[in-house]
Amino acid sequence: IAGITQAPTSQILAAGRRMTLRCTQDMRHNAMYWYRQDLGLGLRLIHYSNTAGTTGKGEVPDGYSVSRANTDDFPLTLASAVPSQTSVYFCASIDSLTGGTEAFFGQGTRLTVV
Amino acid sequence: AQKITQTQPGMFVQEKEAVTLDCTYDTSDQSYGLFWYKQPSSGEMIFLIYQGSYDEQNATEGRYSLNFQKARKSANLVISASQLGDSAMYFCAMRDYQGGSEKLVFGKGMKLTVNP
Repeated sequence: IAGITQAPTSQILAAGRRMTLRCTQDMRHNAMYWYRQDLGLGLRLIHYSNTAGTTGKGEVPDGYSVSRANTDDFPLTLASAVPSQTSVYFCASIDSLTGGTEAFFGQGTRLTVV
Repeated sequence: AQKITQTQPGMFVQEKEAVTLDCTYDTSDQSYGLFWYKQPSSGEMIFLIYQGSYDEQNATEGRYSLNFQKARKSANLVISASQLGDSAMYFCAMRDYQGGSEKLVFGKGMKLTVNP
């Protein structure tokens, strides 16, 4: 692994199903973020974590949950997917403890809920 | 309330000309950071430039510079000598610390098209 990796790259999901998007980074960054990107709306923050063991809600948290059991992993779970959750999801990380000046992004997960 | 505002939905510029992409922000923090990212049609997020709130000089990275006007809460990106490959979506973002939590929030972005 080099940098930050998301999986899967794309997924078609039936409404009502549970889905976990995976995000792993090997840079030991303390802060991690999940965004969804929709046309005309930019990147909207879903959930964030400033350090392992802590999480917080962003602008659009409803229908999503996260966990941060360790520094490297920050999975995003859709408990019961709905079509409005069709989007491109990005995970990002930054080393804010040492004044990091660049947030690193995964390649994105394109999710379609049908 | 929107914390990052990018009012230009789209801009067109001729190749080799300079272009300024606008970004205003809203925070009550004294310590914050401002970022610009580029997203080409392939979808990846490419980091361009960073400005810290305490940085006295405007940030520069090659053809990119950030026109930081703290009192006006603006952080405009200037691209000098535009190239065809600069055609992309551009996002402004801010990291600040509210209630002990650090968040990184983005604007809605704007589309830049560079014409030959």
